[in-house]
Amino acid sequence: GQQLNQSPQSMFIQEGEDVSMNCTSSSIFNTWLWYKQDPGEGPVLLIALYKAGELTSNGRLTAQFGTTRKDSFLNISASIPSDVGIYFCAGIRSGGGADGLTFGKGTHLIIQP
Amino acid sequence: KAGVTQTPRYLIKTRGQQVTLSCSPISGHRSVSWYQQTPGQGLQFLFEYFSETQRNKGNFPGRFSGRQFSNSRSEMNVSTLELGDSALYLCASSLGDRHTDTQYFGPGTRLTVL
Repeated sequence: GQQLNQSPQSMFIQEGEDVSMNCTSSSIFNTWLWYKQDPGEGPVLLIALYKAGELTSNGRLTAQFGTTRKDSFLNISASIPSDVGIYFCAGIRSGGGADGLTFGKGTHLIIQP
Repeated sequence: KAGVTQTPRYLIKTRGQQVTLSCSPISGHRSVSWYQQTPGQGLQFLFEYFSETQRNKGNFPGRFSGRQFSNSRSEMNVSTLELGDSALYLCASSLGDRHTDTQYFGPGTRLTVL
């Protein structure tokens, strides 16, 4: 099915650096979700956004629901080794339903000590 | 509150066999969705069940089927397995609000078809 444009595909950073990733689409979304997935495990929900312009934090993570409702951003401040993993954005399109839960291809975060 | 549980966690089958995977949602959640995850295709939606009825279906062949029980637990069945069915199968549960629903994933079942 349709997928979101998530970038970057991978990031190699030093411990302590800040990280930014984003998702864009040509479609409007009602909800944006950010997940983190460790190898062999299911995605774990990090942040959920329900309103255009909304800025939400979860510890060192901050995510924003774009004002156009077609994009979202995730920032991680002061990265630590346990931040390593694959981060997925997902959106629920206007019209709703599980068929409206569209995923990005993921950003693979690698942290060098 | 316990999270989404999936059994088994790992499964090895041979081509032509069939397999049944199980998912228990978070207590109080009425919607269960199934996804297939592969390195090449990413996360792909299989189907969603809500109140024992299939509410949505992705673009997968009829060999993939599912059902949901009155306690919201769900099973997914794949018949006549093919090599390409090797994947991580994830289920996600939610309250069932179609427009703002937040889905919570289980750990997945890793299926290997030989």
